[in-house]
Amino acid sequence: GNSVTQMEGPVTLSEEAFLTINCTYTATGYPSLFWYVQYPGEGLQLLLKATKADDKGSNKGFEATYRKETTSFHLEKGSVQVSDSAVYFCALSVAGGSNYKLTFGKGTLLTVNP
Amino acid sequence: DAGVIQSPRHEVTEMGQEVTLRCKPISGHDYLFWYRQTMMRGLELLIYFNNNVPIDDSGMPEDRFSAKMPNASFSTLKIQPSEPRDSAVYFCASSQNRGGYGYTFGSGTRLTVV
Repeated sequence: GNSVTQMEGPVTLSEEAFLTINCTYTATGYPSLFWYVQYPGEGLQLLLKATKADDKGSNKGFEATYRKETTSFHLEKGSVQVSDSAVYFCALSVAGGSNYKLTFGKGTLLTVNP
Repeated sequence: DAGVIQSPRHEVTEMGQEVTLRCKPISGHDYLFWYRQTMMRGLELLIYFNNNVPIDDSGMPEDRFSAKMPNASFSTLKIQPSEPRDSAVYFCASSQNRGGYGYTFGSGTRLTVV
C-alpha cells in the first residue's frame, strides 16, 4: 500500500534558522508528492508539489525535491520566520483506479520563536 | 472561485442530537473527500466520492455516520446520534479528476458534543 513517514515533532526553531522536515514514502505506482501547511484554526493549504523524479517544488521560500532513489521529499527553508509556525503535512497520491486519494503523514508541528 | 465552502464553522450540540455538516466543493472538481482531525488520531479520511458516487467509506467510524452527495455542488456528513467522542474538526476537500493536483480543503467545521 501507500504510506508516508515524516519526522516526529514538535520542531522549535529561532527566527532565521534553517529548517528541514524529513519525509519518506512507499507507494504502489508512480506517486505525486505534496507538502501541505495548516496554520492555527485553518484548513490545510497546498504549499508545494512535485509530480516526477528530480522535480523541485517551491513556494514562499520552501523547497522540496522528489528523490526517487531514496523515496524522499524533504521540506527545507533557508530562513524561517515566526509566521511559518504551523503544522506541515507530507502527502502522496497515485492517480488512476479506485484508490485515487491522498495519503498523509501524521504532520509535524513547527514553532518559530522571535 | 470561492474555494471549498463548509458550514457551519462551529457547532456545539448535546449528546444524542443529530448533526449535519455541509460542504460545497469547487465547481468542476470530480472528487470530494471528508476528513476528521483530532489531536489523538490526526487526519483521518472518512469517505470520498467520485462524480457524486461514494467510492470508499471504509473510514466511517460507525453506522451513526452517514454522508451523501445529491449533486455535484453539495455534500453532507451527518452524525446521528452524536456522542462526545465525535468532537473534532471535520474537513471537506475536493479535487480535479486528474493525478498530481492535490486537494483543496475547506476551512473546516469544529464540532463539540457536550
